[in-house]
Amino acid sequence: KAGVTQTPRYLIKTRGQQVTLSCSPISGHRSVSWYQQTPGQGLQFLFEYFSETQRNKGNFPGRFSGRQFSNSRSEMNVSTLELGDSALYLCASSAGTSGDTGELFFGEGSRLTVL
Amino acid sequence: AQSVTQPDIHITVSEGASLELRCNYSYGATPYLFWYVQSPGQGLQLLLKYFSGDTLVQGIKGFEAEFKRSQSSFNLRKPSVHWSDAAEYFCAVGAHSGNTPLVFGKGTRLSVIA
Repeated sequence: KAGVTQTPRYLIKTRGQQVTLSCSPISGHRSVSWYQQTPGQGLQFLFEYFSETQRNKGNFPGRFSGRQFSNSRSEMNVSTLELGDSALYLCASSAGTSGDTGELFFGEGSRLTVL
Repeated sequence: AQSVTQPDIHITVSEGASLELRCNYSYGATPYLFWYVQSPGQGLQLLLKYFSGDTLVQGIKGFEAEFKRSQSSFNLRKPSVHWSDAAEYFCAVGAHSGNTPLVFGKGTRLSVIA
């Protein structure tokens, strides 16, 4: 079956703009988590959605937001982009919540560059 | 809250040599433990996981890891490294109870030389 699909794979934005990233989980998976990956900080948890409800949120400013739709697809949005937002944004899906199984299936990520 | 430390940022090994990547975790109870691998430009792929039971777990691509509660460690091993194993490796810890996300270490980059 198809894996986790993230779009777009690459994008370039300028400071002050906003961006929306999309994630389609594995069919049947109801949980979607988002992570930010940077060389210095590794993988940092952004948020998790389960059945359209945000279950967990990481320590990121309010400029970072997300949502999940009834078909489990998820989007994350970053407003008023800053240079430091340049990163690989990874989406991961799981069958249950991350606290139940812990096993995440990752997409290939969306590489965001902010100029 | 749980945490993970991967003490080695970068390791270089010769092809055919054995490999051990270190992972130490902090968590008050028995954790879920995982090793993921990330090849350049790719997402993370699960290598193996420990939930309970046998403390030596086997994974894909010939990797294994051993859970040592007394040392709070979950080191990844491979007896003979192949050039295709060059990648970044992440250890992660999850909680059995509660609803908390996986916490990842900062990763160990593995280089393989001929």
